[in-house]
Amino acid sequence: RKEVEQDPGPFNVPEGATVAFNCTYSNSASQSFFWYRQDCRKEPKLLMSVYSSGNEDGRFTAQLNRASQYISLLIRDSKLSDSATYLCVVNSNSGNTPLVFGKGTRLSVIA
Amino acid sequence: GAVVSQHPSRVICKSGTSVKIECRSLDFQATTMFWYRQFPKQSLMLMATSNEGSKATYEQGVEKDKFLINHASLTLSTLTVTSAHPEDSSFYICSAGSGLLYQPQHFGDGTRLSIL
Repeated sequence: RKEVEQDPGPFNVPEGATVAFNCTYSNSASQSFFWYRQDCRKEPKLLMSVYSSGNEDGRFTAQLNRASQYISLLIRDSKLSDSATYLCVVNSNSGNTPLVFGKGTRLSVIA
Repeated sequence: GAVVSQHPSRVICKSGTSVKIECRSLDFQATTMFWYRQFPKQSLMLMATSNEGSKATYEQGVEKDKFLINHASLTLSTLTVTSAHPEDSSFYICSAGSGLLYQPQHFGDGTRLSIL
């Protein structure tokens, strides 16, 4: 079983749509959770951290369910600029351990 | 602004050349930095963990004599691809964080290496 699993995608959605990404992780000792986005031929960039209580940043909402070891990302009112690959990322120990990445879910927002 | 700087962003060189890539944390000290490699349409693969003042920890299958890592200061790690060959052509990315739990790591801009 992979450590972090994501919807394989791709997701092709029209502008204005709401889209949800799901992610599960296998290590119950995981401590920190993030969503990164990666544009084609660019480095990953932090989109948002994910907290147990759930958190929102503008059109983006992240949820964490520790019992189910499940993380989600909801994007409302999709924009063309949201087109990217979204990476579910988990850190199992301290901040000095390597991040564990899902393979990413590709999103294409279409006009 | 960027918190992790990586240089150079692009390298094109002949087979057999050694290439050095620098990764700097700009406004924090990083006792640990990470080096990744990403081939086209594939996910990031961790190559090694760079530890300040000690030897790097390499992932299985990564040749430590081929990919030399030096982490001589709290803000700088270097990756040297020795005697590079076309199959080493890839996107190399470093990351670093403050080391604090719950704090994200940040990535350098990446280095696109093309070996002819």
